[in-house]
Amino acid sequence: DTEVTQTPKHLVMGMTNKKSLKCEQHMGHRAMYWYKQKAKKPPELMFVYSYEKLSINESVPSRFSPECPNSSLLNLHLHALQPEDSALYLCASSQDPSAGSGYTFGSGTRLTVV
Amino acid sequence: QKEVEQDPGPLSVPEGAIVSLNCTYSNSAFQYFMWYRQYSRKGPELLMYTYSSGNKEDGRFTAQVDKSSKYISLFIRDSQPSDSASYLCAMSRDNYGQNFVFGPGTRLSVLP
Repeated sequence: DTEVTQTPKHLVMGMTNKKSLKCEQHMGHRAMYWYKQKAKKPPELMFVYSYEKLSINESVPSRFSPECPNSSLLNLHLHALQPEDSALYLCASSQDPSAGSGYTFGSGTRLTVV
Repeated sequence: QKEVEQDPGPLSVPEGAIVSLNCTYSNSAFQYFMWYRQYSRKGPELLMYTYSSGNKEDGRFTAQVDKSSKYISLFIRDSQPSDSASYLCAMSRDNYGQNFVFGPGTRLSVLP
């Protein structure tokens, strides 16, 4: 299995809703990442988990809450989002934080906040 | 000045053409260079990875790094309509994934 699987593929949520994005990989990668990508822009790093511990939080608002239940799963919990949070949310993984061979990205969750 | 610059395109070429995609950067500490391809509604996919200066070839793709000019290129030979996508360069000063800096991407259309 050489894929990063993200669910759901599409999500529409209201500003008062609570929802979660899920990411799963079975490649034995020990570093996992959440990125946010707006249209026609490059991915922007949000969070990094290294060996299931949060190592990087790029000053992301608290309405985004990451969770790494185990080495294969990464969640992003969403609460009280704003319309400007609408974007493609990408999960990625790498062998470990020092892997120079690049990331494996999932296909993303396209989030619309209404 | 942005840390990594890339012509956003769109770039349209006929099938079979040689495509040249480029990025310039300002941070001379960058040593690791990557090219990603991103199809519409998909996550980026790693195409090429190079360390320091030089060339690397993989099938129809060739990556070049010129650190003295702070300039990297991706060449696509015999371009195909299936190559139509956005191409993002990425680079880092170290081997840590969280330190990658992505360029804004170039949209490429290969016309049959």
